[in-house]
Amino acid sequence: QQKVQQSPESLIVPEGGMASLNCTSSDRNVDYFWWYRQHSGKSPKMLMSIFSNGEKEEGRFTVHLNKASLHTSLHIRDSQPSDSALYLCAASIPGGNYKPTFGKGTSLVVHP
Amino acid sequence: EAAVTQSPRNKVAVTGGKVTLSCNQTNNHNNMYWYRQDTGHGLRLIHYSYGAGSTEKGDIPDGYKASRPSQENFSLILELATPSQTSVYFCASGDPGENTLYFGAGTRLSVL
Repeated sequence: QQKVQQSPESLIVPEGGMASLNCTSSDRNVDYFWWYRQHSGKSPKMLMSIFSNGEKEEGRFTVHLNKASLHTSLHIRDSQPSDSALYLCAASIPGGNYKPTFGKGTSLVVHP
Repeated sequence: EAAVTQSPRNKVAVTGGKVTLSCNQTNNHNNMYWYRQDTGHGLRLIHYSYGAGSTEKGDIPDGYKASRPSQENFSLILELATPSQTSVYFCASGDPGENTLYFGAGTRLSVL
Protein backbone atom coordinates (compact mmCIF):
# COMPACT_ATOMS: atom_id res chain seq x y z
CA GLN A 1 0.00 0.00 0.00
CA GLN A 2 1.65 3.19 -1.12
CA LYS A 3 1.79 6.17 1.19
CA VAL A 4 1.47 9.81 0.31
CA GLN A 5 3.05 12.20 2.81
CA GLN A 6 2.16 15.89 2.92
CA SER A 7 3.81 18.75 4.74
CA PRO A 8 3.26 20.95 6.55
CA GLU A 9 0.08 19.81 8.31
CA SER A 10 -1.06 23.38 8.58
CA LEU A 11 0.06 26.70 7.18
CA ILE A 12 -0.90 30.30 7.86
CA VAL A 13 0.03 33.00 5.34
CA PRO A 14 -0.95 36.67 5.07
CA GLU A 15 -3.16 37.86 2.25
CA GLY A 16 -0.97 38.53 -0.77
CA GLY A 17 1.72 36.14 0.43
CA MET A 18 3.12 32.92 -1.04
CA ALA A 19 1.97 29.50 0.20
CA SER A 20 4.13 26.43 -0.49
CA LEU A 21 2.85 22.90 0.09
CA ASN A 22 4.77 19.63 -0.28
CA CYS A 23 3.90 16.03 -1.14
CA THR A 24 5.97 12.86 -1.52
CA SER A 25 5.04 9.31 -2.50
CA SER A 26 6.69 6.18 -1.09
CA ASP A 27 5.89 4.09 -4.20
CA ARG A 28 8.49 4.25 -6.98
CA ASN A 29 5.83 3.12 -9.48
CA VAL A 30 3.78 6.29 -9.05
CA ASP A 31 3.68 8.37 -12.21
CA TYR A 32 0.76 10.79 -11.71
CA PHE A 33 0.05 13.38 -9.04
CA TRP A 34 -2.96 15.57 -8.39
CA TRP A 35 -3.69 18.46 -6.07
CA TYR A 36 -7.28 18.74 -4.82
CA ARG A 37 -8.75 21.61 -2.84
CA GLN A 38 -11.49 21.10 -0.26
CA HIS A 39 -13.25 24.05 1.31
CA SER A 40 -14.78 23.52 4.73
CA GLY A 41 -17.94 21.42 4.55
CA LYS A 42 -17.52 20.76 0.83
CA SER A 43 -16.22 17.93 -1.32
CA PRO A 44 -12.71 17.85 -2.84
CA LYS A 45 -12.27 19.35 -6.30
CA MET A 46 -9.27 18.83 -8.53
CA LEU A 47 -7.04 21.86 -8.76
CA MET A 48 -4.09 20.72 -10.85
CA SER A 49 -2.42 17.55 -12.04
CA ILE A 50 1.11 16.76 -13.21
CA PHE A 51 2.89 13.73 -14.60
CA SER A 52 5.96 15.19 -16.32
CA ASN A 53 9.10 16.44 -14.64
CA GLY A 54 9.18 20.17 -14.31
CA GLU A 55 6.66 22.89 -13.71
CA LYS A 56 3.09 23.69 -14.65
CA GLU A 57 1.43 27.06 -14.05
CA GLU A 58 -2.24 28.00 -14.05
CA GLY A 59 -2.94 31.55 -12.92
CA ARG A 60 -1.71 32.01 -9.34
CA PHE A 61 -1.02 28.30 -8.92
CA THR A 62 2.23 26.51 -9.85
CA VAL A 63 2.97 22.82 -9.48
CA HIS A 64 6.44 21.28 -9.57
CA LEU A 65 7.29 17.61 -9.98
CA ASN A 66 10.59 15.80 -9.46
CA LYS A 67 9.97 12.21 -10.54
CA ALA A 68 13.36 11.00 -9.31
CA SER A 69 12.47 11.93 -5.74
CA LEU A 70 8.70 11.39 -6.21
CA HIS A 71 8.16 14.87 -4.80
CA THR A 72 5.61 17.41 -5.91
CA SER A 73 4.93 20.88 -4.56
CA LEU A 74 2.12 23.39 -4.96
CA HIS A 75 2.81 27.12 -4.76
CA ILE A 76 0.09 29.72 -4.47
CA ARG A 77 1.19 33.30 -5.06
CA ASP A 78 -0.79 36.37 -4.05
CA SER A 79 -2.80 34.19 -1.65
CA GLN A 80 -6.42 35.22 -1.03
CA PRO A 81 -8.70 34.48 1.94
CA SER A 82 -10.79 32.37 -0.47
CA ASP A 83 -7.76 30.07 -0.85
CA SER A 84 -8.23 29.01 2.78
CA ALA A 85 -8.98 25.28 2.51
CA LEU A 86 -7.64 21.77 2.95
CA TYR A 87 -5.24 20.84 0.13
CA LEU A 88 -5.03 17.15 -0.65
CA CYS A 89 -2.30 15.52 -2.70
CA ALA A 90 -3.11 12.27 -4.54
CA ALA A 91 -0.93 9.84 -6.47
CA SER A 92 -1.55 6.89 -8.75
CA ILE A 93 0.42 4.16 -10.47
CA PRO A 94 0.08 3.59 -14.20
CA GLY A 95 -1.99 0.89 -15.81
CA GLY A 96 -5.47 -0.41 -15.22
CA ASN A 97 -5.37 -0.28 -11.42
CA TYR A 98 -6.50 3.32 -11.27
CA LYS A 99 -7.09 4.07 -7.62
CA PRO A 100 -5.67 7.39 -6.45
CA THR A 101 -4.21 7.37 -2.94
CA PHE A 102 -4.54 10.57 -0.92
CA GLY A 103 -2.35 12.17 1.69
CA LYS A 104 -3.65 13.62 4.96
CA GLY A 105 -3.72 17.12 3.58
CA THR A 106 -2.38 20.56 4.42
CA SER A 107 -4.76 23.01 6.04
CA LEU A 108 -4.11 26.50 4.65
CA VAL A 109 -5.38 29.66 6.31
CA VAL A 110 -4.93 32.99 4.54
CA HIS A 111 -5.59 35.84 6.93
CA PRO A 112 -6.58 39.32 5.69
CA GLU B 1 -20.30 19.05 -15.28
CA ALA B 2 -20.00 15.47 -14.10
CA ALA B 3 -22.53 14.61 -11.41
CA VAL B 4 -22.23 12.29 -8.42
CA THR B 5 -25.16 12.15 -6.00
CA GLN B 6 -24.99 10.60 -2.55
CA SER B 7 -27.84 9.70 -0.23
CA PRO B 8 -28.55 10.20 2.54
CA ARG B 9 -26.60 13.36 3.30
CA ASN B 10 -26.80 12.75 7.04
CA LYS B 11 -27.45 9.54 8.93
CA VAL B 12 -27.62 8.58 12.58
CA ALA B 13 -27.41 4.84 13.23
CA VAL B 14 -27.33 2.63 16.29
CA THR B 15 -24.46 0.32 17.13
CA GLY B 16 -25.07 -3.09 15.58
CA GLY B 17 -27.53 -1.78 13.04
CA LYS B 18 -27.25 -2.07 9.27
CA VAL B 19 -26.45 1.05 7.23
CA THR B 20 -26.52 1.45 3.46
CA LEU B 21 -25.00 4.49 1.77
CA SER B 22 -25.97 5.05 -1.85
CA CYS B 23 -24.18 6.72 -4.72
CA ASN B 24 -25.37 7.50 -8.24
CA GLN B 25 -23.31 8.92 -11.10
CA THR B 26 -24.43 10.23 -14.46
CA ASN B 27 -20.90 10.47 -15.92
CA ASN B 28 -20.87 6.99 -17.47
CA HIS B 29 -17.57 6.32 -15.68
CA ASN B 30 -16.46 2.74 -15.29
CA ASN B 31 -14.67 3.42 -12.01
CA MET B 32 -16.34 4.32 -8.73
CA TYR B 33 -14.86 4.70 -5.27
CA TRP B 34 -15.84 4.97 -1.62
CA TYR B 35 -13.57 6.99 0.68
CA ARG B 36 -13.95 8.01 4.30
CA GLN B 37 -12.54 11.22 5.72
CA ASP B 38 -11.53 11.70 9.32
CA THR B 39 -9.61 14.56 10.86
CA GLY B 40 -5.90 13.78 10.71
CA HIS B 41 -6.32 10.93 8.20
CA GLY B 42 -7.18 12.58 4.91
CA LEU B 43 -9.18 10.44 2.48
CA ARG B 44 -8.87 6.68 2.87
CA LEU B 45 -10.08 4.22 0.23
CA ILE B 46 -12.61 1.64 1.45
CA HIS B 47 -13.85 -0.11 -1.71
CA TYR B 48 -13.82 0.60 -5.41
CA SER B 49 -15.27 -0.83 -8.60
CA TYR B 50 -14.22 -1.07 -12.24
CA GLY B 51 -17.72 -1.65 -13.56
CA ALA B 52 -21.10 -3.21 -12.95
CA GLY B 53 -20.83 -6.42 -10.96
CA SER B 54 -17.27 -5.78 -9.77
CA THR B 55 -16.04 -4.66 -6.37
CA GLU B 56 -12.49 -4.49 -5.05
CA LYS B 57 -11.10 -3.96 -1.57
CA GLY B 58 -9.36 -0.71 -0.90
CA ASP B 59 -6.96 0.11 1.91
CA ILE B 60 -9.42 -0.11 4.84
CA PRO B 61 -12.20 -2.56 3.83
CA ASP B 62 -12.79 -4.28 7.20
CA GLY B 63 -16.36 -3.84 8.41
CA TYR B 64 -17.62 -2.68 5.01
CA LYS B 65 -19.15 -4.32 1.96
CA ALA B 66 -19.79 -2.78 -1.43
CA SER B 67 -22.25 -3.45 -4.24
CA ARG B 68 -22.22 -2.26 -7.87
CA PRO B 69 -25.46 -3.44 -9.46
CA SER B 70 -25.22 -1.12 -12.44
CA GLN B 71 -22.90 1.36 -14.16
CA GLU B 72 -24.62 4.24 -12.35
CA ASN B 73 -24.98 2.92 -8.80
CA PHE B 74 -22.47 1.96 -6.13
CA SER B 75 -23.47 1.25 -2.52
CA LEU B 76 -21.49 0.96 0.69
CA ILE B 77 -22.94 -1.39 3.29
CA LEU B 78 -22.17 -1.51 6.99
CA GLU B 79 -23.73 -4.79 8.18
CA LEU B 80 -23.00 -4.18 11.88
CA ALA B 81 -22.26 -0.52 12.42
CA THR B 82 -19.81 0.46 15.15
CA PRO B 83 -19.00 3.90 16.67
CA SER B 84 -15.54 3.75 15.02
CA GLN B 85 -17.33 4.01 11.66
CA THR B 86 -18.58 7.48 12.54
CA SER B 87 -17.13 9.59 9.73
CA VAL B 88 -17.80 11.51 6.55
CA TYR B 89 -18.08 9.23 3.52
CA PHE B 90 -17.39 10.37 -0.01
CA CYS B 91 -18.29 8.58 -3.21
CA ALA B 92 -16.36 9.41 -6.37
CA SER B 93 -16.33 8.41 -10.00
CA GLY B 94 -13.59 8.80 -12.57
CA ASP B 95 -11.73 7.11 -15.39
CA PRO B 96 -8.01 7.46 -16.16
CA GLY B 97 -8.67 9.34 -19.38
CA GLU B 98 -10.56 12.09 -17.57
CA ASN B 99 -7.66 12.88 -15.27
CA THR B 100 -9.77 13.64 -12.22
CA LEU B 101 -12.16 12.14 -9.72
CA TYR B 102 -15.58 13.68 -9.32
CA PHE B 103 -16.81 13.59 -5.74
CA GLY B 104 -20.29 13.56 -4.31
CA ALA B 105 -21.28 15.99 -1.57
CA GLY B 106 -20.56 13.46 1.16
CA THR B 107 -22.60 11.59 3.79
CA ARG B 108 -22.07 12.41 7.44
CA LEU B 109 -22.63 9.20 9.44
CA SER B 110 -22.88 9.07 13.21
CA VAL B 111 -23.05 5.67 14.92
CA LEU B 112 -24.26 5.92 18.49
